[in-house]
Amino acid sequence: DTTVKQNPRYKLARVGKPVNLICSQTMNHDTMYWYQKKPNQAPKLLLFYYDKILNREADTFEKFQSSRPNNSFCSLYIGSAGLEYSAMYLCASSSRQNTEVFFGKGTRLTVV
Amino acid sequence: GEQVEQRPPHLSVREGDSAIIICTYTDSATAYFSWYKQEAGAGLQLLMSVLSNVDRKEEQGLTVLLNKKDKRLSLNLTAAHPGDSAVYFCAVSVGGQKLVFGQGTILKVYL
Repeated sequence: DTTVKQNPRYKLARVGKPVNLICSQTMNHDTMYWYQKKPNQAPKLLLFYYDKILNREADTFEKFQSSRPNNSFCSLYIGSAGLEYSAMYLCASSSRQNTEVFFGKGTRLTVV
Repeated sequence: GEQVEQRPPHLSVREGDSAIIICTYTDSATAYFSWYKQEAGAGLQLLMSVLSNVDRKEEQGLTVLLNKKDKRLSLNLTAAHPGDSAVYFCAVSVGGQKLVFGQGTILKVYL
């Protein structure tokens, strides 16, 4: 099973309110990623966990938080949503032993 | 850092014809190459991936070609059918599995 599961599939949030997105995988992958995708743009890496080590991209460092309480789960947290956060958020996972990266179906976040 | 250019941005082909999408990259140390398909409202589905020691890979009507000299990666859908209509992305990595994506190609296959 190469499934990465994301919840919820759709999320509506108010400006200024927090947002928490959930991802899980049962492939025992050591690395989990969060990407942001806006229409007509390439997916953009926000951050990733290698085991318990969080790596955040420089230009999104302060905008997104994440936690990985165990190997299977990873969350993406936005403390105060802005209109510019409206996008598809894609979770992915991979293993150091295999270079293939598998994506979930995404969570479409709309901030109003 | 690595930059990836993907073309064409839009591609329309008749059912049964082939569709070719090309990506060029800048970093000669790029070691991992992949293609993803995104259908409407869905996430990214991994189609095929190759390492830098592979020049050609074929699977289920798809052919991936890698030209390291020209830093060019291509995806050829032979005998396209309407179910292939989607957005296709190339994605490459120098190492450490941080993928850099192309801008995407919207493929439409018509009858």
